[in-house]
Amino acid sequence: GAVVSQHPSWVICKSGTSVKIECRSLDFQATTMFWYRQFPKQSLMLMATSNEGSKATYEQGVEKDKFLINHASLTLSTLTVTSAHPEDSSFYICSASWARGMGNQPQHFGDGTRLSIL
Amino acid sequence: AQKITQTQPGMFVQEKEAVTLDCTYDTSDQSYGLFWYKQPSSGEMIFLIYQGSYDEQNATEGRYSLNFQKARKSANLVISASQLGDSAMYFCAMREGLNTGNQFYFGTGTSLTVIP
Repeated sequence: GAVVSQHPSWVICKSGTSVKIECRSLDFQATTMFWYRQFPKQSLMLMATSNEGSKATYEQGVEKDKFLINHASLTLSTLTVTSAHPEDSSFYICSASWARGMGNQPQHFGDGTRLSIL
Repeated sequence: AQKITQTQPGMFVQEKEAVTLDCTYDTSDQSYGLFWYKQPSSGEMIFLIYQGSYDEQNATEGRYSLNFQKARKSANLVISASQLGDSAMYFCAMREGLNTGNQFYFGTGTSLTVIP
């Protein structure tokens, strides 16, 4: 099946640091990538949708300047949490899909990144 | 209105028994897809099963089957012969339309615990 690699798996850093999370599709061209945030025991909250070569579309309430998303190639999207603070601590997970796929194509998820800001 | 509703925050099932996890959805689209994912405590999202709005047969994948009742707008996941490794969060999701670039709407999830 399709493989999406997300890196790093864990990040612990000091407040004020910027953190970059990478999401790579390893065996297919990901025309669309999605970034989610998940709090403990809650559902996935969509942060933004990015299409290759275009600016990301952010969900209401998500700060564009805080969460920078780049999707410069068909295999890589990055999420940068700028000047991270403790309230940004969370589980971040990406997913990818191929726009020309059939309707039964699921979103393929990375393994997620646990971000802890001290 | 919520697009996806999962009304069971937590469920328990005896090992080797079957369990049904409920999911109802709300859409006015004629074309849509319904997906179930499993999320173990490690965090990864594992795709389990898909049901398309035009599919007349209930989807099955190994021990997973989907009880699709279109008129009731429900897509319940049935896990047969539960195993200890089935203990996890389960999420129901819907994508409206046929464009795979469209977003997923997720339910709040059901935490399943399999008891030995």
